[in-house]
Amino acid sequence: GAVVSQHPSWVICKSGTSVKIECRSLDFQATTMFWYRQFPKQSLMLMATSNEGSKATYEQGVEKDKFLINHASLTLSTLTVTSAHPEDSSFYICSAMGSGGGTEAFFGQGTRLTVV
Amino acid sequence: GEDVEQSLFLSVREGDSSVINCTYTDSSSTYLYWYKQEPGAGLQLLTYIFSNMDMKQDQRLTVLLNKKDKHLSLRIADTQTGDSAIYFCADPQGGKLIFGQGTELSVKP
Repeated sequence: GAVVSQHPSWVICKSGTSVKIECRSLDFQATTMFWYRQFPKQSLMLMATSNEGSKATYEQGVEKDKFLINHASLTLSTLTVTSAHPEDSSFYICSAMGSGGGTEAFFGQGTRLTVV
Repeated sequence: GEDVEQSLFLSVREGDSSVINCTYTDSSSTYLYWYKQEPGAGLQLLTYIFSNMDMKQDQRLTVLLNKKDKHLSLRIADTQTGDSAIYFCADPQGGKLIFGQGTELSVKP
């Protein structure tokens, strides 16, 4: 299957700082990327959907000013957690869908964010 | 809205078969997926089934789909300790995936 690389795998940051997470499709062009959040022992909750070159669509209850998503190219989307707080600590996972018309989404390995 | 539900835990002995169940509410999807998540890792696509199929077999994995009851199951034959993980069923809706809560499979030697 196609490869999606997420970076960093884990990050610890101080409260009030911002953290950027990258999601790259390595061997295909991703027209659509999705960002999920997963709390321990829970399922994945979709945060937002981003299409290359346009603004992200956020799910209800997700603060777009806090979770900034940029999808500037067909191989890269970034999620920036601004002014992070301990309650933002979570596992963030991206997925990407290609432009070939298929419905399969490929997932990154996830980023463990800990805000202290 | 769309709802996907799974039982939370399953414990089996090595060598036994495991059956993980999933129910969903929306029946318009073309595919339904099973993903595996190992501790601290992202999701790995295990298998999928077209909505016009009743069964799909892929080596040790068998997926059964009952569209009438909106019930999906994943059977793992000859379960191994390396199969211990969380398994998610997922229903694609407009490209985004709606996940079940995940079933934690524990395989005892």
